[in-house]
This record gives sequence, structure tokens and C-alpha cells, in this order.
Amino acid sequence: KNEVEQSPQNLTAQEGEFITINCSYSVGISALHWLQQHPGGGIVSLFMLSSGKKKHGRLIATINIQEKHSSLHITASHPRDSAVYICAAVKSSGDKLTFGTGTRLAVRP
Amino acid sequence: ETGVTQTPRHLVMGMTNKKSLKCEQHLGHNAMYWYKQSAKKPLELMFVYNFKEQTENNSVPSRFSPECPNSSHLFLHLHTLQPEDSALYLCASSQGYIQYFGAGTRLSVL
Repeated sequence: KNEVEQSPQNLTAQEGEFITINCSYSVGISALHWLQQHPGGGIVSLFMLSSGKKKHGRLIATINIQEKHSSLHITASHPRDSAVYICAAVKSSGDKLTFGTGTRLAVRP
Repeated sequence: ETGVTQTPRHLVMGMTNKKSLKCEQHLGHNAMYWYKQSAKKPLELMFVYNFKEQTENNSVPSRFSPECPNSSHLFLHLHTLQPEDSALYLCASSQGYIQYFGAGTRLSVL
């Protein structure tokens, strides 16, 4: 069992829908990253958060440290949001990232 | 564009070949990383370099040999690879918590 679990593994949505991707982790962490990987491989860091909530445009990330859970929300989804979304935990003991397996999102026009 | 450049983007090699992957960053970061991403598996950390010194080798087989000549460049030398080594190899750099990733090299071993 991975230390970082994501759900769902695959998600198909219609343009305009509100999307939620979940991440649960079983280890103590100091921070959690949400990353976006487009077809072709390039990875972009979306958020790093250690508590509460962050918002950037149509993207919102939340984290509940007590419940060891984080969510990434996309409002008014668009086909260009189609990508793999990966959460990665930074353990308290150092700065290595432990990655989830990713959620593949497809947004249909 | 993240500021981390990887070359080549695609590589096909036979099991007896020797090839190298290159990663370059001019972000002024002191830490550089090699990751392996296989289908349907989480990214796996392979190597970490801090200030040109290797600080992490995550039990990587010796057929993968990293080299970090300076803080801006990182290489991954490949020799006698196996078909199961076919994957996307990603380089990243960081200064602090945020890691900046390159676009990756998609490697196919025949």
C-alpha cells in the first residue's frame, strides 16, 4: 500500500463541471504538493500547502492535517484542464517527496 | 517552461548501448533530482544531489550512473539497460520545498 493514495484514478467530466480529486496520506508530513502533468510528461507545481486552503484562479487546494487528507478542486472545468494530477507529500523528516499514483482527468467539451 | 531543460526528449536504445540523459537548470538551485516514472506507478526518486554531492541513492541498479559536474547540470549515464527500464525519466531542481521539473526523457529499451 502506497503511503500516498489518490482517488479517483481516472475521472471524466463535462466542461463546466466542478471537479474534486482526493489525496490521503499515512505518514507525518510537513507539506503537501499538488502537481499537474500534461501529455508529453512535463510536470508543473500547482500548490504547496501545509494547512488550510489555497486558491489560484479556478483551482483550490485544501488540507486537513488531522485527517491526513487533501483535496484539489477545479471549478468551471475546461478541456485544457485535462492532465494527470499528482499529490506528493513532504515528510517531516526531510524534503523527499512521496508521490501518489496520480489522477487522470479528461474534460470533454 | 519551468527553467529545467532535459535532453533528449525521446530515446530508443538497445540493451547493449550506452547513452546519457542530460538535465540543465539555470534557476540557481542547489539541489537536483532524478526520478523514474513507470506506467501506473508513482514517481520513484532515484538520486539526489545537493551542491554537486550525491546525498541520496534510492537503491538504484548500477546500470544507472549519475554525474553532477556542477550545480546547473545533471547527467544520467545508462548502460546495459533492461526492457523494464523503459519509462519516463524526470529531472527536477529545488531551492527549498518547491521542485521544478523538466519535461522528461521518454526512454524505450529494446
